[in-house]
Parts: sequence; structure tokens; C-alpha cells
Amino acid sequence: DAGVIQSPRHEVTEMGQEVTLRCKPISGHNSLFWYRQTMMRGLELLIYFNNNVPIDDSGMPEDRFSAKMPNASFSTLKIQPSEPRDSAVYFCASSHRKTGANVLTFGAGSRLTVL
Amino acid sequence: AQKVTQAQTEISVVEKEDVTLDCVYETRDTTYYLFWYKQPPSGELVFLIRRNSFDEQNEISGRYSWNFQKSTSSFNFTITASQVVDSAVYFCALAFGVDSNYQLIWGAGTKLIIKP
Repeated sequence: DAGVIQSPRHEVTEMGQEVTLRCKPISGHNSLFWYRQTMMRGLELLIYFNNNVPIDDSGMPEDRFSAKMPNASFSTLKIQPSEPRDSAVYFCASSHRKTGANVLTFGAGSRLTVL
Repeated sequence: AQKVTQAQTEISVVEKEDVTLDCVYETRDTTYYLFWYKQPPSGELVFLIRRNSFDEQNEISGRYSWNFQKSTSSFNFTITASQVVDSAVYFCALAFGVDSNYQLIWGAGTKLIIKP
């Protein structure tokens, strides 16, 4: 199994540009999470999908952030327009109903730098 | 309030020493789960263990052991005979409730440095 695949691994962009982060969860996993990690705030849950449906997006910082899961094998997190304070590592994670939603397999992360 | 405290920001030991990482949690729920995740320098978080609130049995997995004590609201993690590959940031986390237990409350993490 290839694990959770995220792309790009690194992204450097200028303020105001659109950023799209991509995630392929583990096949068969029914839950998908987007997390953000910063030194100041640690790990923050942005959004949680179950069976491709957004269940909890209360962690999405503001309207500039949006996430989609068009099918069981793909999700995107979009930031438009990006700002320097969005600089962080963004993790995608997935889990299987049998082990429980909270036993997460994380991707390697996408490190975003907004100049 | 639901909270996880990892008071040790950074620990440095010499290889082969035993080391214990502390985790103290707060919750009013009677049903909850406790976790440890490891984040090595490569960056990817790796699940290590989950315990539920009804199971206070300690667990051992190789050089790793976990001590869950409800009386002190602690879930401590011990690495025996530490190795350089154990160097990582270790996170303790809490999940509670039934419908909301996908939401992990994370500690700030403890950075463990194992010197050769």
C-alpha cells in the first residue's frame, strides 16, 4: 500500500495567488481529514469528510479556504487568495471505519510558503 | 474543558538510556480515547497506540510501553534502551464522546533527541 499521497510536497507562492493541495487517501478508507501544523498553533483540524461528505468544517479559517472530495480517492484543499499567514505544513490523513475514525494514517505533508 | 498537556518541550538522552514522555489530560467525559503519535524528522505523523477510557491495562510493544492511570489523568510513554531512530517529536492526543471522537485534542508535543 502506497499510503496517503499528498502533492505538492513543497509550494512557494506569492501573496494573492491561488494554492491547491491534493490528497489521495488509502484505498478503502472512508474518512479523510485535512490538518494544518504551525509552530504557533500546533496541529489544527481544518475539515473532516466521511464517505466523501464534509462532516465538520468548523476548523476552516475563513472563506479563502475550501475543500472538496469529489470521490473516495481524491481530495483538494484550496486557498484563494493566499496570505503569508497561511504558511504552514498541511497534512492529509485518512482512516478506516473498522479501526475508528481517530486512528489516522497521515500523508507526508505539503509545506506551503506564501511570500 | 478538554485538554492535553505535555509539559516536557524537549528531552535529550544518550542512546540506550530509558526515557519517559509525560502526558496529562483533562476531560469530563467518561468515554474517551488516548493516543500517541510519532513525528520523525521526515515529517509524517505515525500512529503508535490508542487506549480507551475503560481499559487501564498497561501495554508493551517491544521497547515501547505505555502507562495509563485514570487516578492521575496520565498516559505516559516509556522507551526502553532508546535508539537514535527514536529521535522524533511525540504527540499525545485525546478524543472524546461518541459522535465527535474523530476530533483529536493534541498536546504540544515533546521533542526527543537521542544522542549516539
